[in-house]
Amino acid sequence: GAVVSQHPSWVICKSGTSVKIECRSLDFQATTMFWYRQFPKQSLMLMATSNEGSKATYEQGVEKDKFLINHASLTLSTLTVTSAHPEDSSFYICSARVDRGKWDNEQFFGPGTRLTVL
Amino acid sequence: AQTVTQSQPEMSVQEAETVTLSCTYDTSESDYYLFWYKQPPSRQMILVIRQEAYKQQNATENRFSVNFQKAAKSFSLKISDSQLGDAAMYFCAYRTQGGSEKLVFGKGTKLTVNP
Repeated sequence: GAVVSQHPSWVICKSGTSVKIECRSLDFQATTMFWYRQFPKQSLMLMATSNEGSKATYEQGVEKDKFLINHASLTLSTLTVTSAHPEDSSFYICSARVDRGKWDNEQFFGPGTRLTVL
Repeated sequence: AQTVTQSQPEMSVQEAETVTLSCTYDTSESDYYLFWYKQPPSRQMILVIRQEAYKQQNATENRFSVNFQKAAKSFSLKISDSQLGDAAMYFCAYRTQGGSEKLVFGKGTKLTVNP
């Protein structure tokens, strides 16, 4: 249980285009999901907290208009990188908070999405 | 703001031996949670172990155990009988109880397991 998927696993896009990344909780409902960014050989940095049915809460320094987050259902959150530029190239990881079982209230992570902007 | 420090960028251990990864943190709160996450080369983050700050007993999960020293704000991970599959980046993380409940991660320790 507590499986989180992400799609796509790897995306390459041209500078100026937009890219959408999906995060799904496969076997549980997640009222809260989180989006992280991880640069090579670095730790995870929280970008935003996504709550189902409400606006996302962004961390300081994260551009809301550039990184659009939608949490339209209890099993799906999306991150759209708008007008992507090479400096947006990174590894994006989502997590979902479980609400049952041994790890109640903890975050389980998706496998990540590698974004490369040319 | 809470901070998490992992002072060992890299560690290595022989297969079947025991290794301890260090983590210290800074907080003014009394109730919180601490975690160790594992990130293998696949980059899938895996929750290894959790410690509630109000519990004095150290958490254990099979071959993984922690040494939680609340006064010293220290939270080390001991891996016993190390296996090749334990090779990964290990991240120590902190979470407040309630509120935003976001995770704050350390910079990670890369563990190599030698056959």
